[in-house]
Amino acid sequence: GAVVSQHPSRVICKSGTSVKIECRSLDFQATTMFWYRQFPKQSLMLMATSNEGSKATYEQGVEKDKFLINHASLTLSTLTVTSAHPEDSSFYICSARPYLTVYYTFGSGTRLTVV
Amino acid sequence: SQQGEEDPQALSIQEGENATMNCSYKTSINNLQWYRQNSGRGLVHLILIRSNEREKHSGRLRVTLDTSKKSSSLLITASRAADTASYFCATDGDPGNMLTFGGGTRLMVKP
Repeated sequence: GAVVSQHPSRVICKSGTSVKIECRSLDFQATTMFWYRQFPKQSLMLMATSNEGSKATYEQGVEKDKFLINHASLTLSTLTVTSAHPEDSSFYICSARPYLTVYYTFGSGTRLTVV
Repeated sequence: SQQGEEDPQALSIQEGENATMNCSYKTSINNLQWYRQNSGRGLVHLILIRSNEREKHSGRLRVTLDTSKKSSSLLITASRAADTASYFCATDGDPGNMLTFGGGTRLMVKP
């Protein structure tokens, strides 16, 4: 089936540094990718919708200058957490919907810890 | 934003028992989907029920949908220890065809 590959799976970074998370659709083209954030024992909260070749759409309350999204090709979307702070520590997950399907495929997630 | 609530938030049962999880949502939907998440991992699609369907089965899974009450339930029969995970309902509606998730139910199946 359709697979979304997400890397890295875990990352620890120092406060003030930036971290890039990549999501690739391996066997389908994803014109749109969705980025979620999940705190421990909580649900997924949509952060932004990434569109190939155009600007991402951010949900209310999500800082676009802090969470930079780039969707430069039909198979790759990246989320960069800039100037990370401990409160940015969370689990980040991407997803996409393969063409002509109604279900969504998720990446395996990235556990970000900012120290 | 979160679409609705899931009930219960946590459920602990013995292997072989049935597990029922409920989900409520707020807006009109095209379909409702159930996903499973093992600890610290991504989500796996389990089953989808369309807005014009009332019940659907897949293996040990049974999903019901009541659009008048804006609610759905997921039943896992003859549970196994390997079913231990978090289960989320998600609605797919306009606009943007993006998924909106419920709060999730953490299921623990004891061997």
